[in-house]
Amino acid sequence: SQELEQSPQSLIVQEGKNLTINCTSSKTLYGLYWYKQKYGEGLIFLMMLQKGGEEKSHEKITAKLDEKKQQSSLHITASQPSHAGTYLCGAVGANNLFFGTGTRLTVIP
Amino acid sequence: KAGVTQTPRYLIKTRGQQVTLSCSPISGHRSVSWYQQTPGQGLQFLFEYFSETQRNKGNFPGRFSGRQFSNSRSEMNVSTLELGDSALYLCASSWGTGGNEQYFGPGTRLTVT
Repeated sequence: SQELEQSPQSLIVQEGKNLTINCTSSKTLYGLYWYKQKYGEGLIFLMMLQKGGEEKSHEKITAKLDEKKQQSSLHITASQPSHAGTYLCGAVGANNLFFGTGTRLTVIP
Repeated sequence: KAGVTQTPRYLIKTRGQQVTLSCSPISGHRSVSWYQQTPGQGLQFLFEYFSETQRNKGNFPGRFSGRQFSNSRSEMNVSTLELGDSALYLCASSWGTGGNEQYFGPGTRLTVT
């Protein structure tokens, strides 16, 4: 079965710093989603990547899909406390979406 | 447009009891998926309903069941609750099936004592 591994598992950064979160798949990625989750709450859709080499941006968050490497990266520029939370990548599998284990981001003001 | 709503938001049950959780999808969405999230296992897919039919099912025991009504609202039921069923249960709605762009509700926090 396909698995998604996220790295790092947790990240603590100073406000204003840039950061990158990676999501690596054990099999070919045919589509990848990025979600953000505040503790104990639902997931907030960030963006969806469907094609190799695709790159999307939303405000200060940019995500890329490297099909050959079976990997996606999420980059946050000039982090803010509002960026804090857990970031989850999800991919389309045989049965609906399956998710990585998440990266917990803490932004220190 | 209203988002996905889930009720109740919090629930405390005793081992052996059963529980029913409700999910109302975004208007116009016909697919509802259910997920279980725990610290140990992360986010795991339970099942998906589309047009009142179960389309996909994850690897969970038969104690977990669901259904969808003609207005796309969905319920999931867990019978004979176990301590390990304590989790955040999330539902997500989408226009189509099979991992289509999904929008999640706030979740129901179930605690089994």
